Amino acid sequence: SAVISQKPSRDICQRGTSLTIQCQVDSQVTMMFWYRQQPGQSLTLIATANQGSEATYESGFVIDKFPISRPNLTFSTLTVSNMSPEDSSIYLCSVGGGQGYTFGSGTRLTVV
Amino acid sequence: KQEVTQIPAALSVPEGENLVLNCSFTDSAIYNLQWFRQDPGKGLTSLLLIQSSQREQTSGRLNASLDKSSGRSTLYIAASQPGDSATYLCAVDTNAGKSTFGDGTTLTVKP
Repeated sequence: SAVISQKPSRDICQRGTSLTIQCQVDSQVTMMFWYRQQPGQSLTLIATANQGSEATYESGFVIDKFPISRPNLTFSTLTVSNMSPEDSSIYLCSVGGGQGYTFGSGTRLTVV
Repeated sequence: KQEVTQIPAALSVPEGENLVLNCSFTDSAIYNLQWFRQDPGKGLTSLLLIQSSQREQTSGRLNASLDKSSGRSTLYIAASQPGDSATYLCAVDTNAGKSTFGDGTTLTVKP
């Protein structure tokens, strides 16, 4: 299965600023997925990123708040913009499909 | 809309005990079901994947079963160890390619 390198692993950010999270995959993949895990809760899908097209966002998530880039088949970034304390969560990227999914190690974001 | 429920939310057992974690889902039109382990503040580690056509999968002390018609899956852990302490998540993949996660079962194995 694919191996994903995600960074940063954690960060503490000031409200109103933005943070960009990177995921690098060791093989070419069609789709990459971005999830959010709020404290004490399970994972919620933010968006699906396909190379060469706009990301598809789930209900409740918008591009202005969570812009995503997918410049090639092995790399993607998620930016959390204009952060507030409510954005404090673990953010995870994932790849996979019919043979199951693999996750990055997560980015633990704290907004103060 | 697919909904996934995991019971119990938390479980504490003495070392050596066998245990069962439960996962139920509302829409049986699934592609596969995957069990993950998550340590505090960390990412997800895949444990077992069951395709929709399969009934069970085994890996070491872990056995996962799937009953699509009743919308249920179980994860059986044999001879539990303190290192098994973690949150266990089940994720159901619909044919649309999106995974829906349960809220997880937090397992504590006491030495």
